[in-house]
Amino acid sequence: DSGVTQTPKHLITATGQRVTLRCSPRSGDLSVYWYQQSLDQGLQFLIQYYNGEERAKGNILERFSAQQFPDLHSELNLSSLELGDSALYFCASSVRVAGGTQYFGPGTRLTVL
Amino acid sequence: AQTVTQSQPEMSVQEAETVTLSCTYDTSESDYYLFWYKQPPSRQMILVIRQEAYKQQNATENRFSVNFQKAAKSFSLKISDSQLGDAAMYFCAYQSLSNTGTASKLTFGTGTRLQVTL
Repeated sequence: DSGVTQTPKHLITATGQRVTLRCSPRSGDLSVYWYQQSLDQGLQFLIQYYNGEERAKGNILERFSAQQFPDLHSELNLSSLELGDSALYFCASSVRVAGGTQYFGPGTRLTVL
Repeated sequence: AQTVTQSQPEMSVQEAETVTLSCTYDTSESDYYLFWYKQPPSRQMILVIRQEAYKQQNATENRFSVNFQKAAKSFSLKISDSQLGDAAMYFCAYQSLSNTGTASKLTFGTGTRLQVTL
């Protein structure tokens, strides 16, 4: 158990809908990262938050957004969902803002029908 | 931009034997971390081992060790005394230590699927 929690484990929804994925980092970790794992794109970095502030953006679609709350949990919001958004979404956390080992949560499997 | 290449899509090893998974990377930086993560059928991403580029000594964690060749930009993972529970997808990952932009992200290879046979 990495200490990173993610809910829900599975999510099935329809095209055009909006969903929210939730992540709680390990105790003491201030950085939260979101990654997408899909069959065609592999593991891709989406976005990083550090202590409530957006730190870095990867190839995150405009339909996707995220935030980190004062208690350091983070939410990834996916809207106007398309079939191609079906993937495994991971959250990872680390202590530092830059560098450092990232510990991954169990992931949320999103299926868009 | 950094890239990570894992040229072996699949590998197979017999139980109790040793196997080496290959990884090469491309970077112009001198300071960085390299990681191996394991993804079993449960899909959880589990940290296996970490190597700091400034350290000449190769990292080891129990049955797992790396061969880090900085000049060659090579970072292979050796699994000794393979066990059935080692069967998984293994990902090599690069992390810059720069404090700018998206540097802290992990850049992953495409993975190597390891089968362990009796």
